This record gives sequence, C-alpha cells and structure tokens, in this order.
Amino acid sequence: TQLLEQSPQFLSIQEGENLTVYCNSSSVFSSLQWYRQEPGEGPVLLVTVVTGGEVKKLKRLTFQFGDARKDSSLHITAAQPGDTGLYLCAGYDYKLSFGAGTTVTVRA
Amino acid sequence: DAGVTQSPTHLIKTRGQQVTLRCSPKSGHDTVSWYQQALGQGPQFIFQYYEEEERQRGNFPDRFSGHQFPNYSSELNVNALLLGDSALYLCASSIGAGGLPDTQYFGPGTRLTVL
Repeated sequence: TQLLEQSPQFLSIQEGENLTVYCNSSSVFSSLQWYRQEPGEGPVLLVTVVTGGEVKKLKRLTFQFGDARKDSSLHITAAQPGDTGLYLCAGYDYKLSFGAGTTVTVRA
Repeated sequence: DAGVTQSPTHLIKTRGQQVTLRCSPKSGHDTVSWYQQALGQGPQFIFQYYEEEERQRGNFPDRFSGHQFPNYSSELNVNALLLGDSALYLCASSIGAGGLPDTQYFGPGTRLTVL
C-alpha cells in the first residue's frame, strides 16, 4: 500500500510541451523528495523540499511543496525526450515512503 | 569513484528456496537501506543498516533479514521464497545523519524472479 498517491499514472506528450505530475498524501511529512528512474537503473534524487509552500527550480523543472506538507507537484517546461522516465515522489518521516510513480514519455 | 554496486544483476529461484543479495555502498557512505520494487510500483522500504545494526524496518515479514559488515557492505537474505517476492531489489547508501533525510544513492538493483 502506497501512502503517497501520484497522478497521472502515465503521461505521454510531444517534445516542447509542458507537463505537471502530482503527489498527494493524507499524512504530513517532514520533507518530500522527487526521484527519476530509468529502465534498468535505480532512482536518482532530483530534489528535496522541506518547508511548506517551498518552490525549487532546477533548470526546466519546478518543484512545489504544499503549505500543509502533504502534497507536492513537479512541473516540466518545454519537455525533451531526455526527460522520459519514471518520476517518483517520496515522503520522509525517519524512512522514505514512495508513491507508485508517474511514467512520462516525451516523443520527439 | 564507484557508486553503489549490487550483485547479482538477475536471479531466478523457485518457491521455498533462499536467496542472498549483496550491496557495496558508495565510497564514504556508512548507511545502507534496502527496498523492494514490484512491477509498476514504487520502492517499498525493507530495512536500514547503520553501524552493523538494523536501525529501521518497514512492514516486511521476518523471512527478510539482513546484515552489514565492518566495511559497510550489506546483504539481504530472503528465506522460503514466495511468488510474490519477485521484484527489483534496490540498495541505497547514505551517510548517517539526523533531521533532514539522508541523500540516498541507489544501486541499479537485483532483479529476482521466483518461479
């Protein structure tokens, strides 16, 4: 059972389009992390958000942590084929609890 | 500098057998966490080892056990394998810390298939 719900489960877009992935939980976490996982590899940490309402930007990726620290979103601007992968959110409360992930496919 | 390494890459076992998976952490890391990732799911936390002791444990039965060696490498043992144990087993290493989550570096995983 996943404590964090991610939506959508699958997302397929054309290169250059924008996309948003959501992560919601009924639990409060002290922090939340986003990972990207490619086939045959382990997840790679993208960002950690700690403060409610926090917004972090990494080039074309924007991460937001909800005010109540229960939800988060990942927005990608002008997606590229290299952004293709499984995006996972994980809440931290002395251990990491992962969502089921959103599979993003960016078509050239 | 080698990252987290895991062995073997793939493994096929039959129901009832026992399996041992191995993990070498990233250089300088002293904490190892194990996760199970079933197909189409996110990783589920199994347990974490620090200073050769189990520090945290997720909701997994006692069939799942582990060990950490003085060089910080770790093993995951699963006894009496069930079909449902088929999954990608991920190892993550980090530097022990309190407060903020450790930055965990994941290995490529071991794909276990139970027939």
